[in-house]
Amino acid sequence: KQEVTQIPAALSVPEGENLVLNCSFTDSAIYNLQWFRQDPGKGLTSLLLIQSSQREQTSGRLNASLDKSSGRSTLYIAASQPGDSATYLCAVNRAQGGSEKLVFGKGTKLTVNP
Amino acid sequence: NAGVMQNPRHLVRRRGQEARLRCSPMKGHSHVYWYRQLPEEGLKFMVYLQKENIIDESGMPKERFSAEFPKEGPSILRIQQVVRGDSAAYFCASSLTSNTEAFFGQGTRLTVV
Repeated sequence: KQEVTQIPAALSVPEGENLVLNCSFTDSAIYNLQWFRQDPGKGLTSLLLIQSSQREQTSGRLNASLDKSSGRSTLYIAASQPGDSATYLCAVNRAQGGSEKLVFGKGTKLTVNP
Repeated sequence: NAGVMQNPRHLVRRRGQEARLRCSPMKGHSHVYWYRQLPEEGLKFMVYLQKENIIDESGMPKERFSAEFPKEGPSILRIQQVVRGDSAAYFCASSLTSNTEAFFGQGTRLTVV
């Protein structure tokens, strides 16, 4: 059974700091991994998707890496800003026979202090 | 191109009533997924549908819950005889194929009183 763990559960940093969020998964047979952002009371915004054959993806100040063999992914946020404050969710997709089930971690709640 | 649209955004039901949650996928997407987020919990998969077919409902409670995605119109998640424990945020997602990027709606927050 696939399990996704995110560490830390919460993180508070001063503005401008570079930071890393961690995600680990127990079953390395994945098709892809997605990082999402969730603001309080809102939906999920997809940030980055990494296919299983890829090692990393970049979008602006965000960089996500994937080490499938060790079951790990990291989300690197450069020069953090107060607007980055949100909960960041990691999810893995292990599609079998055309059935997609995204398995989510519980998230890391990030607070960036001005 | 509008994103995934869910309505209503907030729904209050008394115990024993029925709740109907609607989801319109992104244009061109025929794969729809429903997830539930309980307070202080992660999102949990409920059901995966393609047009007129339920592909995987392994995450759906065996009783009171049902889902459909008709040929025309939105996908519907239906909860009969709601109980307090059904209070949660219900999210719908859609994708172009089964292993491409999933896009989520804003969610429906169900409160059972």
